[in-house]
Amino acid sequence: ETGVTQSPTHLIKTRGQQVTLRCSSQSGHNTVSWYQQALGQGPQFIFQYYREEENGRGNFPPRFSGLQFPNYSSELNVNALELDDSALYLCASSLVRGTGGNEQFFGPGTRLTVL
Amino acid sequence: LAKTTQPISMDSYEGQEVNITCSHNNIATNDYITWYQQFPSQGPRFIIQGYKTKVTNEVASLFIPADRKSSTLSLPRVSLSDTAVYYCLVGDMDNQGGKLIFGQGTELSVKP
Repeated sequence: ETGVTQSPTHLIKTRGQQVTLRCSSQSGHNTVSWYQQALGQGPQFIFQYYREEENGRGNFPPRFSGLQFPNYSSELNVNALELDDSALYLCASSLVRGTGGNEQFFGPGTRLTVL
Repeated sequence: LAKTTQPISMDSYEGQEVNITCSHNNIATNDYITWYQQFPSQGPRFIIQGYKTKVTNEVASLFIPADRKSSTLSLPRVSLSDTAVYYCLVGDMDNQGGKLIFGQGTELSVKP
């Protein structure tokens, strides 16, 4: 196990609703990243938070937003849910060391289904 | 950001050595090469990371030629539990905002 936890495990929402997914990073890590993984595809980078500020964003609309808290836990919020938002949402934590290579530890994911 | 190309699928048998090669022709000077393993409905798991030459850990070896335009993940004596999707990633984790670029991955099927 990586020490990264996510909640809830599964979630069902209807189109237009809002959802909040939560992640608890591995102890000592200062960075958290979120990914969306559609069925049969590789994970797609949504954004990363470093020391409570957004530090890089992928090709996702503004209705995808996030927060990182002082204890390095994090939230992913998605507004105005669409059917295509149905996916496995992954959280990954890491310790940025400034050396150019660092390992990201992934949580088990939250399976979101939008009806 | 360097793009990677790897085989979509591979088959093997228990006890064999499996080599998965990844092409990354546009790799930059500061880029590292990282491999992840993913089982269905689970998050990817870090396998190995390298910059050049050869890296070995308890589960795999990573071979990187001098020009760094490709890399080969070697899994010794695979078992049924190694059936998974393997992703090759290239990037400078600190300077690109930690954005891991996952491709399609290689779906490895290990048969008895």
